Amino acid sequence: EAGVTQFPSHSVIEKGQTVTLRCDPISGHDNLYWYRRVMGKEIKFLLHFVKESKQDESGMPNNRFLAERTGGTYSTLKVQPAELEDSGVYFCASSQDISSGNTIYFGEGSWLTVV
Amino acid sequence: QKEVEQDPGPLSVPEGAIVSLNCTYSNSAFQYFMWYRQYSRKGPELLMYTYSSGNKEDGRFTAQVDKSSKYISLFIRDSQPSDSATYLCAMTWYSSASKIIFGSGTRLSIRP
Repeated sequence: EAGVTQFPSHSVIEKGQTVTLRCDPISGHDNLYWYRRVMGKEIKFLLHFVKESKQDESGMPNNRFLAERTGGTYSTLKVQPAELEDSGVYFCASSQDISSGNTIYFGEGSWLTVV
Repeated sequence: QKEVEQDPGPLSVPEGAIVSLNCTYSNSAFQYFMWYRQYSRKGPELLMYTYSSGNKEDGRFTAQVDKSSKYISLFIRDSQPSDSATYLCAMTWYSSASKIIFGSGTRLSIRP
């Protein structure tokens, strides 16, 4: 069974440009999460989808970040325009049930560098 | 003040040693506690998941929660070089919570 897949694995963009990160969750997982770790900080929650609906987006830092999950399958996270402080690793995770921590599977992350 | 404090290390121990990793937290509402292992350039992988106070054992790993002290620990017995990784404590308020709060992680190295 394929795990959580993220694309691209690495991205280097200039400040002001747009980047779109994609996440393919494990097949059949209704719950999809985005987390990120910026340099020197902890991994922090961004948002949670249940199917195509945003269950909790309290961690989204500002309106330069837009997450979508059309059709309840894969998800995209767009950063527009990117700023230097957006550099870090963006993790996607998915779970079948909503019991926190019990069955959440993380992808390998998308490493974003904004220069 | 951070909600979860974790010593970043690095921690280096010889193979076979018992390793103790710890976190403290400030929010007494946390009920569910987790330990994740993260290898370099990989995503976090759930190791242990516990609810409330007490001990939970899984093979060479033991997770301990002391809610009265707001302190959690992970013990690794008979440590192996393959245990070298970053260990992240994490916690949340209830089982269906969307958000997990992570510690900053402790880098562990097991010397052969």
